[in-house]
Amino acid sequence: DAKTTQPTSMDCAEGRAANLPCNHSTISGNEYVYWYRQIHSQGPQYIIHGLKNNETNEMASLIITEDRKSSTLILPHATLRDTAVYYCISKTSYDKVIFGPGTSLSVIP
Amino acid sequence: DTAVSQTPKYLVTQMGNDKSIKCEQNLGHDTMYWYKQDSKKFLKIMFSYNNKELIINETVPNRFSPKSPDKAHLNLHINSLELGDSAVYFCASSQDSTGAGTSPYNEQFFGPGTRLTVL
Repeated sequence: DAKTTQPTSMDCAEGRAANLPCNHSTISGNEYVYWYRQIHSQGPQYIIHGLKNNETNEMASLIITEDRKSSTLILPHATLRDTAVYYCISKTSYDKVIFGPGTSLSVIP
Repeated sequence: DTAVSQTPKYLVTQMGNDKSIKCEQNLGHDTMYWYKQDSKKFLKIMFSYNNKELIINETVPNRFSPKSPDKAHLNLHINSLELGDSAVYFCASSQDSTGAGTSPYNEQFFGPGTRLTVL
């Protein structure tokens, strides 16, 4: 089962790209990497997931290293509404999702 | 339309009381979950149900009893409430029911949370 480590907090200037790193060095070959975020006082929100290839959707891009030991979530043009805690997910068996402490991202005007 | 809804949003009660939190999802998902987020903001899974059957039961006091009358509903009943039960409780649902835990359709949709305060 993969365990993830993320920086505790990060700042990003509004309009700039926010790059949030995650280490998952023990991830197994068939485990996906998921990213969620939690805006203050709301339920967590799914952002994106990937296995081996880089992924992009309307919210973000996910870059996974070739060895799959780490990934980076990219918010291309951060806005104030992107201020949230971002979770890189460690998956265990049968849908059990383990949320770590995440990275608290502050987007600064 | 709200995908995952919870009621009530806030719940304030005395120690020793029994209370319930209701959760409904209109996404047609097979799997539903309860999570607890404590004051330190750690989000921990409590239970998971797949098609009304319990599949994950973490180390949770037996004062907590989930009930799933159908696959669209997963309610949480708490007996003999204690101060340490104060937290935000989130309900969630996901489509995947394969059990492999590796499906690409494993994204979870969360409700808005219920803030429980035990006095």
